[in-house]
Amino acid sequence: DTGVSQDPRHKITKRGQNVTFRCDPISEHNRLYWYRQTLGQGPEFLTYFQNEAQLEKSRLLSDRFSAERPKGSFSTLEIQRTEQGDSAMYLCASSLRLAGAGSYNEQFFGPGTRLTVL
Amino acid sequence: DAKTTQPPSMDCAEGRAANLPCNHSTISGNEYVYWYRQIHSQGPQYIIHGLKNNETNEMASLIITEDRKSSTLILPHATLRDTAVYYCIVRVVGAGGTSYGKLTFGQGTILTVHP
Repeated sequence: DTGVSQDPRHKITKRGQNVTFRCDPISEHNRLYWYRQTLGQGPEFLTYFQNEAQLEKSRLLSDRFSAERPKGSFSTLEIQRTEQGDSAMYLCASSLRLAGAGSYNEQFFGPGTRLTVL
Repeated sequence: DAKTTQPPSMDCAEGRAANLPCNHSTISGNEYVYWYRQIHSQGPQYIIHGLKNNETNEMASLIITEDRKSSTLILPHATLRDTAVYYCIVRVVGAGGTSYGKLTFGQGTILTVHP
């Protein structure tokens, strides 16, 4: 399967613990996005990378959240001192941005990591 | 990005056409209309996009009104596997610019296809 993969698929943790999620994008894609989705709502943008550079961060991304994409391939999203309000599905997506040209930038989503904070 | 308005839910009989409307009355000239869908427990999936002309691909057709203030996604022969949440999104597309990256989802339309 050459799609976007995320690990783990499910995570249950206790309030106050740190968690880290991993996303592996489609191999040639240079853009990688993180979204969060709560029950009954559409996904909300958190942040995105072009190669290893983090180009935009939502104000939803509090100081407890950090995302990295160190080599421009896989990415990690860490949540420190988790709170019950962090319970959500965390979605990763990737796309190919062609240099020097406009791109309609179709995003391919992974299956998500469902986080439950007890 | 412009805001969109969609009905919260719709029903469709299997084999019939499903017509999903979307209002985007504040759309700007450089904003495209995108449609994604999300089947239960999966990530969203791209369906189609357009600027001002009608578009068709293997999944669906997109009809955009002449004033571009609304659009309709058409699934010509809906199947049970088309049951999903359908999101209409408008976003700027162009060369460069960080604002072109993210997708801004609303609550979408829950389409239920029944036998």
